[in-house]
This record gives sequence, C-alpha cells and structure tokens, in this order.
Amino acid sequence: GQNIDQPTEMTATEGAIVQINCTYQTSGFNGLFWYQQHAGEAPTFLSYNVLDGLEEKGRFSSFLSRSKGYSYLLLKELQMKDSASYLCAVMDSNYQLIWGAGTKLIIKP
Amino acid sequence: DAGITQSPRYKITETGRQVTLMCHQTWSHSYMFWYRQDLGHGLRLIYYSAAADITDKGEVPDGYVVSRSKTENFPLTLESATRSQTSVYFCASSEVPGQGTDTQYFGPGTRLTVL
Repeated sequence: GQNIDQPTEMTATEGAIVQINCTYQTSGFNGLFWYQQHAGEAPTFLSYNVLDGLEEKGRFSSFLSRSKGYSYLLLKELQMKDSASYLCAVMDSNYQLIWGAGTKLIIKP
Repeated sequence: DAGITQSPRYKITETGRQVTLMCHQTWSHSYMFWYRQDLGHGLRLIYYSAAADITDKGEVPDGYVVSRSKTENFPLTLESATRSQTSVYFCASSEVPGQGTDTQYFGPGTRLTVL
C-alpha cells in the first residue's frame, strides 16, 4: 500500500529552527509537495521537490532524497504565525496526491 | 475575483437528506478534485475530474456523486447523508498533472455536520 509518515506534533521556540520530516512509500513518484494549513483554513502550497536536493524559499527550505523515500521541511527564524499544520504529499505514478496526516507545529514565545 | 470558491461554507443537515456542495474556479484549470479531511487522517480524495464530462473515483467515493458539465464548476452531492460523512470538504484545482505545473490550489472548505 501507499503510506506517508510524518510526526503528529512538534513544538519549537520563536526565533529557532525546526525540521519536519516526512517518509513515504508510494506506487511511483512524480514529486513531493509541502503545504501549510492554519487551523480552520485551506492548505496553501509551500514547496515542490522532484529532484534530490534542497530547494530554498526564504525562511523555508525543503529537501528530498528519492532513494531513501525521505523529505524534510526546514523552517528558520520561526515566527508565531508559523504555528500551523504542515502537510506532506507525494504525487504517485497516476499523478494523484497521497497525503500524510500532517504535523501540527506549535510555536512558543 | 479570480480563484476557487466553495459554498456553503458551513452546513448542518440530517441523516438521509441530500446535500450538494458547490465548487467554482476561475483559473480555467483542467483538473478539479474533491477531498475530505478528518482528524487523524490525511486529505482523502473522493472524486476528481480531468475535464468537463470526465470524472473518476478517488480513494473514498462511496455515498458521493459528482458532475462536471462546465469546466469551472464541480459540485459534490451526498445522495443520502450519513453521520460518517461529517467532515470538512475541500475542493481543489490544478493544471494538467505531469506537464510542468502539478500544484493543486484549494478552496476555503465546507464544514459539513450530519446529525
């Protein structure tokens, strides 16, 4: 079967750095997505990786290792507004997104 | 305004009633999707559509019906609502997957409660 694993909840301090991991087993691979979802709101796109390596976008970076079935989202200089759930999703061989259950990130002052 | 909208945003209904959730997008995206989101689960695909008059089942299609007569609209109907269909429903759209831009963009969601 297809499976996406990510931690249920993480806590970090304002101004710090946090890494959210995602491991996957899917039927084929056509890219990995990270979305941010604030409570009561829709998921919004953060990043996309299809090749191995690091993609950087301001305070957010996403890393992919296809051979290990592994990705992480790195958030730097944490702000209170970064408190949200972070969803990892893999596009499989049928170009359908398989979603993890999400990691709830709590930022403390 | 451009984007993807859903209506209603909140709905309370009773077991056995028919309910239709509306989704409208102004990007002319080919693909549209319906997901449900429940605590402890990732987003689960109910149905998707590759174009007008082309729809296909996702992971959890039972109890739902979709149609797509126009590119911009993709309504989801619960034919006879059950309590297990209490959930938050998200509509999303994207360009054709595998052709460079695979990102799905989400509507604001409909929170449905079935009593």
